This record gives sequence, C-alpha cells and structure tokens, in this order.
Amino acid sequence: GAGVSQSPSNKVTEKGKDVELRCDPISGHTALYWYRQRLGQGLEFLIYFQGNSAPDKSGLPSDRFSAERTGESVSTLTIQRTQQEDSAVYLCASSLERAGGTGNTIYFGEGSWLTVV
Amino acid sequence: AQSVTQLDSQVPVFEEAPVELRCNYSSSVSVYLFWYVQYPNQGLQLLLKYLSGSTLVKGINGFEAEFNKSQTSFHLRKPSVHISDTAEYFCAVTTLNYGGSQGNLIFGKGTKLSVKP
Repeated sequence: GAGVSQSPSNKVTEKGKDVELRCDPISGHTALYWYRQRLGQGLEFLIYFQGNSAPDKSGLPSDRFSAERTGESVSTLTIQRTQQEDSAVYLCASSLERAGGTGNTIYFGEGSWLTVV
Repeated sequence: AQSVTQLDSQVPVFEEAPVELRCNYSSSVSVYLFWYVQYPNQGLQLLLKYLSGSTLVKGINGFEAEFNKSQTSFHLRKPSVHISDTAEYFCAVTTLNYGGSQGNLIFGKGTKLSVKP
C-alpha cells in the first residue's frame, strides 16, 4: 500500500484480556517501529525491527508486551493480560532502513487506539 | 543516550502572528534532527529534518528550523501562522553513526500549537 496501515483503528477490551495489533509497513521498508502515545503524553518507543537482525526490545514496558515480524512484512504487537494503564494509541512506523545512522525518514500509520475497561 | 526537551507543552498564538516552538537535545554523539506534526485524530507526518549542510532547514507548510550545535537546539519557526497549523508538534533525534546505538527516533513530549482567529 501507499502508507503504513494499522488495524484495528479502535479496540475496546476488558481488563485481563489479550489484544493483538497489526501493522502493515510501506512495501520495501526494512525497518519497522512500534511507539505508544498515552493521552497527553509524548511518543514512547517500544520496539524496533531491522531486516533479519534481532529486534531492539529495549522499550517494551513489561513482559506482557511482545511483538513479532515476519521477514520484512507485517508485524503484530501483542499485549497480554491488559491493564487500564495500557490504554493508549499504539503507533506503527516504517523506514527504508533504520533511522539511526542514516537519517532516513520514519513514516507513521494512523495508530490503533486501545481502551482497556 | 539521547534525549529531547520541548520546553513548552502548549503555545497559544493569534492567526498571522509568528511562532517559535523550542527544542533542545542532549547527546554525546552527533545527531540527526527531525520535526513531526500531528493534526487532530491523524498520524504523525514529517515537517522537516536536519541531516547535514546548511543549518537552516526549510520544510512543508512554510515552517523552518535552525540547527544550533553550540546551544544543542533545533527550534521550529513560522513567520505567520494559520488556523490550519493548529496541531501537536514533536521534535525528535537519532544518532549520526549507528555503531550499536539505537536505530529508532527519540521524541520529545510535544508542543500543542493552538492558533486563534
């Protein structure tokens, strides 16, 4: 597609349930990022994939959070046993290569708004 | 590690007035710098970025930013704002040389620009 596509755009879930958020990056982009944006807050880095290298998971807030990426395509962010503090917009982004060391522009999707009730 | 400080969380301004949104960064290595804009209920899009060369960078929608290495700043400016510039603006940084450093962008907490008629 022309841009980064995310689904669902909105998700309401009960506390304790697991959720999966999907990201389809721009075709040809080897780098893929997940960020979290809580209401009134800035962007919080979660995880970053670069090609077939081991992902940088340094931003994941707890072991309830995990992400996978199949090759250089779709990624899924999974949150297990959701808590109310997980409520946020989850933004996926992609770039031709990693931004660090290249200055490549990161292109963002419109986000998945997660509400945990 | 890098960090970004956006000193003003909110900036109200009247239409056609000039505006400056401040951004300071901290890094022990050379950096690339970015400004992104997020319009209400939309994803982030790139306004401009500094990679090298002229320290004055021009972006979309009449915005420009100046890289000042001695002051570690990258302030965003527009000489005359429009109602349509109402949005949240994020400053971001990544490293010039990858060398095991983070591949992602580090974002500031954002500045909400509110343009009033």
